[in-house]
Amino acid sequence: QQPVQSPQAVILREGEDAVINCSSSKALYSVHWYRQKHGEAPVFLMILLKGGEQKGHEKISASFNEKKQQSSLYLTASQLSYSGTYFCGTVSMEYGNKLVFGAGTILRVKS
Amino acid sequence: DGGITQSPKYLFRKEGQNVTLSCEQNLNHDAMYWYRQDPGQGLRLIYYSQIVNDFQKGDIAEGYSVSREKKESFPLTVTSAQKNPTAFYLCASSRGTGQYQVYGYTFGSGTRLTVV
Repeated sequence: QQPVQSPQAVILREGEDAVINCSSSKALYSVHWYRQKHGEAPVFLMILLKGGEQKGHEKISASFNEKKQQSSLYLTASQLSYSGTYFCGTVSMEYGNKLVFGAGTILRVKS
Repeated sequence: DGGITQSPKYLFRKEGQNVTLSCEQNLNHDAMYWYRQDPGQGLRLIYYSQIVNDFQKGDIAEGYSVSREKKESFPLTVTSAQKNPTAFYLCASSRGTGQYQVYGYTFGSGTRLTVV
């Protein structure tokens, strides 16, 4: 079962903040976040493990609420280089411990 | 530098042909994966392999076949049975799998397959 991402797309000006959400109907072991530039391979940003941790990567951080089966990716003071499509991926026992990706959130940062 | 190499970058297939996409990694990762990406959509799992000489079907395995004879290599064959093969194909690898995975996936640069 594919996780649901929201919003589908967001447009920001440089310096603005954004939040991308990812929710699942299954109990999760972990949540992955990736960014993909047009025509390129997805690049791993971070993984959040069961336990409700929060992680940071430069000005990009994420949280994982295990009870709600939700994760959020926070982008602060956005830069032009943040533009791309962001995917969350979830791992759950009910889905055979395989990584299943959401449909993606398109982020565009304008100057 | 370690990484995943996919070839070719672009591939054109005639109706009824089988084509093979190459994927090689030098990361010493046990697990390898093939994903298909269609425009504006997420990544869908075709096949995956957690160990040499073993592989499992993903969500959309029909019309595809794989082999895993070496740890470094996981080629994907798109057969004539795949009715709509035009897509972007991504190979990935990882240390650990499933609930024991604490590292992310590393992706290759992809192969864009077009049916002509």
